[in-house]
Amino acid sequence: QKEVEQDPGPLSVPEGAIVSLNCTYSNSAFQYFMWYRQYSRKGPELLMYTYSSGNKEDGRFTAQVDKSSKYISLFIRDSQPSDSATYLCAMSWGTGGFKTIFGAGTRLFVKA
Amino acid sequence: DVKVTQSSRYLVKRTGEKVFLECVQDMDHENMFWYRQDPGLGLRLIYFSYDVKMKEKGDIPEGYSVSREKKERFSLILESASTNQTSMYLCASSNNLLGQLNYGYTFGSGTRLTVV
Repeated sequence: QKEVEQDPGPLSVPEGAIVSLNCTYSNSAFQYFMWYRQYSRKGPELLMYTYSSGNKEDGRFTAQVDKSSKYISLFIRDSQPSDSATYLCAMSWGTGGFKTIFGAGTRLFVKA
Repeated sequence: DVKVTQSSRYLVKRTGEKVFLECVQDMDHENMFWYRQDPGLGLRLIYFSYDVKMKEKGDIPEGYSVSREKKERFSLILESASTNQTSMYLCASSNNLLGQLNYGYTFGSGTRLTVV
C-alpha cells in the first residue's frame, strides 16, 4: 500500500463547477499537508499549506485536513479553464520538508 | 521573483554516458532536493542536501550521485545513464525556519531526460 493515495483522474468539469480533489494517507505521523499545482511542462508550485487538522481558505481554494480519517481535500469554487492542471497532494512530518511524500497527482480539465 | 533554475529543459543522452543536471536557486535556501517524476508514480526523492557539502540519500539513490559545493547550486549526476533513468527530473529548494508561513518547496521547471 502506498503511503499516499490519489486518484489520477483525469477529472473533467465545466467552467464554474465546484471541484473536489482528495488524497488518503496511511502514516498518522504526518503533520504538514500541502497542495501543489503543476501546469504542463512546468514544475509544481505550492498552492495551499496547512498544519495539522482543519480548514484553510485562500480565494477560490479551500484545503481540508481530517487527521482522524487520514483524508485531505482541496476544493476549487467557480472553476476556470486556467485551473486546468495536475494537482499533487503532499505531506510531511518534519521541518525543512526532508520527508515529504507526494501523491501521484490528479489531472483536472476545466472546459469553457 | 524567486527562482529555482534548471540548466536544461530537454536532454537526450546515450546509454552509458555520464550525465550532469544542474540546479541553481537564488533564495538563500538551506535545503535542496532532487526528485524524479514518472506517470503513476508521483515524485520520488533521489537525494537531498541540507547544507553545503552535505548530502543524504532519498528513496531511490541507486545510479545517482550529487554534489553541493556552493549553497545555491545542487548537481545531480547519473554515473552511467540507463534507459530506466528516462524521466522528468525536478530540483527543489526550501528553508528551515520554523513557523515559516510559506513552508513548502520551490521547484524548478524540470529537465526531461531521455536515455537512448
